[in-house]
Amino acid sequence: RKEVEQDPGPFNVPEGATVAFNCTYSNSASQSFFWYRQDCRKEPKLLMSVYSSGNEDGRFTAQLNRASQYISLLIRDSKLSDSATYLCVVIPRMDSSYKLIFGSGTRLLVRP
Amino acid sequence: DADVTQTPRNRITKTGKRIMLECSQTKGHDRMYWYRQDPGLGLRLIYYSFDVKDINKGEISDGYSVSRQAQAKFSLSLESAIPNQTALYFCATSDRKPQGNEQFFGPGTRLTVL
Repeated sequence: RKEVEQDPGPFNVPEGATVAFNCTYSNSASQSFFWYRQDCRKEPKLLMSVYSSGNEDGRFTAQLNRASQYISLLIRDSKLSDSATYLCVVIPRMDSSYKLIFGSGTRLLVRP
Repeated sequence: DADVTQTPRNRITKTGKRIMLECSQTKGHDRMYWYRQDPGLGLRLIYYSFDVKDINKGEISDGYSVSRQAQAKFSLSLESAIPNQTALYFCATSDRKPQGNEQFFGPGTRLTVL
């Protein structure tokens, strides 16, 4: 079983739609969680951290469910510019804060 | 100017050739990393370095070596390239912080081994 699993998609949605991605992780002791965004053929960039209490940044909401070992990303009012691959990232242990475990990504296509 | 740069951006080479990928950063970060990305597999850590004198193997170091020439420079070498090393390679940096530090990636090097 992969340490971090994501549905590869693609999720094909119209502009203005709300879309949600989930990501599951296998290590129950995992400490930190993030969503990175990667545009086609570009480098990954941090989109947002995921806190235990959940967090929101504009149209983006991230949530953590430790009991079920998944994190989610909700995008409201999708824009064409949201089209990208969204990478779920987990840091498994407190003493390995450098060690990011990446999911293989979920691809989002927003159509006009 | 980009904070993390990689050279070359694209490279096509033949099996058995020695290849060096270079990474430079102006962010002043102590920590640097090399990853490879393959379709369907996500990014995997090859090597990482916490400072000039500290180099560590990552998840998939076989067939690779690295050199940390200075705080700002971290190079990755393939001593004898093979076709399954065809991938997109990213260098990344991070600051020396407690857990949860963000990693900043270079633009990537697309390597093809024929």
